[in-house]
Amino acid sequence: DAGVTQSPTHLIKTRGQQVTLRCSPKSGHDTVSWYQQALGQGPQFIFQYYEEEERQRGNFPDRFSGHQFPNYSSELNVNALLLGDSALYLCASSPGQGTLTDTQYFGPGTRLTVL
Amino acid sequence: GDSVTQMEGPVTLSEEAFLTINCTYTATGYPSLFWYVQYPGEGLQLLLKATKADDKGSNKGFEATYRKETTSFHLEKGSVQVSDSAVYFCALSGRQGKSTFGDGTTLTVKP
Repeated sequence: DAGVTQSPTHLIKTRGQQVTLRCSPKSGHDTVSWYQQALGQGPQFIFQYYEEEERQRGNFPDRFSGHQFPNYSSELNVNALLLGDSALYLCASSPGQGTLTDTQYFGPGTRLTVL
Repeated sequence: GDSVTQMEGPVTLSEEAFLTINCTYTATGYPSLFWYVQYPGEGLQLLLKATKADDKGSNKGFEATYRKETTSFHLEKGSVQVSDSAVYFCALSGRQGKSTFGDGTTLTVKP
């Protein structure tokens, strides 16, 4: 079992550009959540996808958007990048519709640097 | 909205010392509570969880009890090892699985 995988590992962009990050969930998991983790802070919830729809969203602007594919993999898109978007972006998957008792399994993250 | 407050670090202990990392939360309803750990160079992984009041989660010698009356989920270990050095995150999962994390506590254990 490969676990949760994310790509790319690192990414450098300039302000105003757009970026797409990718995530493949753990085998058997149908729910994917995305988090932003700034240096020295805990992960901040961006949104969660289940059955190809966004189910929950945190306090992030609509520059942050996502997508889930029929195979449960997911993408996170960020438009009009700002310096403050520099962070580690984590993907987590869980089974069973992502109910509150489910354990989330995290990927290694994508380190985004905005210059 | 939901929030998690955990003990500020860093925490430095000698091997075999007793560990407590405090965590308190604010949430509507009845959240599930989690401790995640991030070892150097690795990703976040679940350490333990509790899904209802008075439940005790335990793993690898670590324990935490879900205290609804004090809205707390403190992490404890009786005797820490050098290999326990890591960053520890307290988290809650609320309605429909929306998760909220604390800012993490860095633990360093010296031989």
